[in-house]
Parts: sequence; structure tokens; C-alpha cells
Amino acid sequence: NAGVTQTPKFQVLKTGQSMTLQCAQDMNHEYMSWYRQDPGMGLRLIHYSVGAGITDQGEVPNGYNVSRSTTEDFPLRLLSAAPSQTSVYFCASSYQVLGTGELFFGEGSRLTVL
Amino acid sequence: AQSVTQLDSQVPVFEEAPVELRCNYSSSVSVYLFWYVQYPNQGLQLLLKYLSGSTLVESINGFEAEFNKSQTSFHLRKPSVHISDTAEYFCAGTYSGAGSYQLTFGKGTKLSVIP
Repeated sequence: NAGVTQTPKFQVLKTGQSMTLQCAQDMNHEYMSWYRQDPGMGLRLIHYSVGAGITDQGEVPNGYNVSRSTTEDFPLRLLSAAPSQTSVYFCASSYQVLGTGELFFGEGSRLTVL
Repeated sequence: AQSVTQLDSQVPVFEEAPVELRCNYSSSVSVYLFWYVQYPNQGLQLLLKYLSGSTLVESINGFEAEFNKSQTSFHLRKPSVHISDTAEYFCAGTYSGAGSYQLTFGKGTKLSVIP
């Protein structure tokens, strides 16, 4: 009963480095999304996808890329890391793309950019 | 832009006392509202949701929330809190009618239950 799995759980990068945060779900959900959580800011949507091959930008997409080649996987790429991207990142999925369904969250990936 | 506002960033309360966590949303054609809970070092979990029908919704662990359209509010209440309720609570809303597929979250309220 894995649900939403995120890797890695912790990562430290230097400014300018690139990396990919992995997200996989085994619930056959069409909707997947990435959020970042910062103190006092709540959760802000980075990118989302309503199915394989379909992605769209959320509230704070700059500096991040996503792709959705399969229903199960939704990786988030940081192209050139900046200290402002230090955050906790959450992947979430849902069976309902119209926003009425429950979002299932991973346990988070804590990223520090030096 | 659609928004969800949580009026308190931190709420301390003594064990077995009642608590209310306040949430207001911007009005729209139609709206779905949620409360999520985040325990330390974990992801968020759905606590309860309002989609339509009865304006009072309940969770399995004693929380309830009432959808109030006239006041555009969706406050979360519990008549008697436990230590295990210490967590951060997020109100969220999805706005339909404009093809929107994402939730808008409030900034969160940290509930601290004092023994």
C-alpha cells in the first residue's frame, strides 16, 4: 500500500546545480501535482498534470520543469538551483481531476540550496 | 484571484477545551472546500470536505466544519481537543466554473494543545 512515494527525502545542493525530485503513485490517479511549502506561506502549486502527456503551470512555476510520460510518474526538475528554492516539496495525486477529490500527499522532500 | 484566508497562524488551547480554527474563502460561482491536517514531518491528510448538500460536515476524529455561504466561511471546530490533535491545519478550496484543476491553500494554522 505505497500510495505516493517521493525520493529523495533530503537533499543539499549548491547554487547552480540541477537535480530531479522523483514522484510515483500506484493508485492509477490521473491528476498529479507538485507543491512547495515554506514557513508562513502555506502550500503553493508549482506544476500539475491531468494525465499522461499533459502538464500545466501553477502559481510558482519559474525555475522548475515537469513531464508526465506515464500515469505513475511525475518528476520535478530544478534546472539551476537557487537559495530561494530551499523548501519542502510535496507531490500529491488525486483520482478526480475536477478538484472535488481528495489529494493524497507524499511525505515530502526537504531541499536545501547553499 | 480566488483565495482562502486562515485568520490565525497559531492557536494554543488547553487539553479538553473547545477550539475553532477560522477559514474564509473568496466567493465564486461554486466552490468545494477542504480541511487538511499535517502532523510533524509528514505530508498532508484530508480531514473533511464540503462539496454540496448538508452544510455541516464531520470527520471521524471529532472535528466538524460548517459551510456558511453568507459569511463565506468554513470554520473548523472540535468540542474537546486532545494532545494528539497538535498539528498544522490547512483550509483549501477548489473553484469551478473556469476550468480550474488546482486547490488553493490557506497559509495554515498551527494548533498546539497544552496538557
